[in-house]
Amino acid sequence: QKEVEQNSGPLSVPEGAIASLNCTYSDRGSQSFFWYRQYSGKSPELIMFIYSNGDKEDGRFTAQLNKASQYVSLLIRDSQPSDSATYLCAVTRDGQNFVFGPGTRLSVLP
Amino acid sequence: GAGVSQSPRYKVAKRGQDVALRCDPISGHVSLFWYQQALGQGPEFLTYFQNEAQLDKSGLPSDRFFAERPEGSVSTLKIQRTQQEDSAVYLCASTRDPKPIEQYFGPGTRLTVT
Repeated sequence: QKEVEQNSGPLSVPEGAIASLNCTYSDRGSQSFFWYRQYSGKSPELIMFIYSNGDKEDGRFTAQLNKASQYVSLLIRDSQPSDSATYLCAVTRDGQNFVFGPGTRLSVLP
Repeated sequence: GAGVSQSPRYKVAKRGQDVALRCDPISGHVSLFWYQQALGQGPEFLTYFQNEAQLDKSGLPSDRFFAERPEGSVSTLKIQRTQQEDSAVYLCASTRDPKPIEQYFGPGTRLTVT
């Protein structure tokens, strides 16, 4: 059974702080890893993808991947109230069948 | 340019009715995905098309679910004899290349089965 697990939250952080979102996955054959943001009542939008072990930075966002530990995380620096949303982790082995986690709800308090 | 569109946006069906959900991907996009998202959950993969070929249908929950993309563009997800557990948002996504990096999601169809 392929599974992706995330803390459901809500994760509350003050404005300007770093938000840390975590995801673990069970399929060791997973090759590609994605973080999506989903506002309430809207569809998911891609924030970042990562393929290789290590860190990948894009603006205020950093994705971290550790394949040995089957762990991927997303850090959001200088969190803003507009970052309040559900963050979905998704993994795929083959680029065809994507497995999403249940999402972590983030609340950034002004 | 136009994004992924889905219709209808909302559908209420009585238990036992058949429904058809439509997805118009971004023009020229090769890959098309269908997902089912229950309230408070992440999207669950249903099926994947590359052009008109349905390469993966392992996520379809039962033989009441059927998807097609006959000309490699518009896709239809059909649910026969709907049940209450089919109530969910059905999301369609498309990508430009067969090896997808960014999936562009449509707004979804919210299906309520009464």
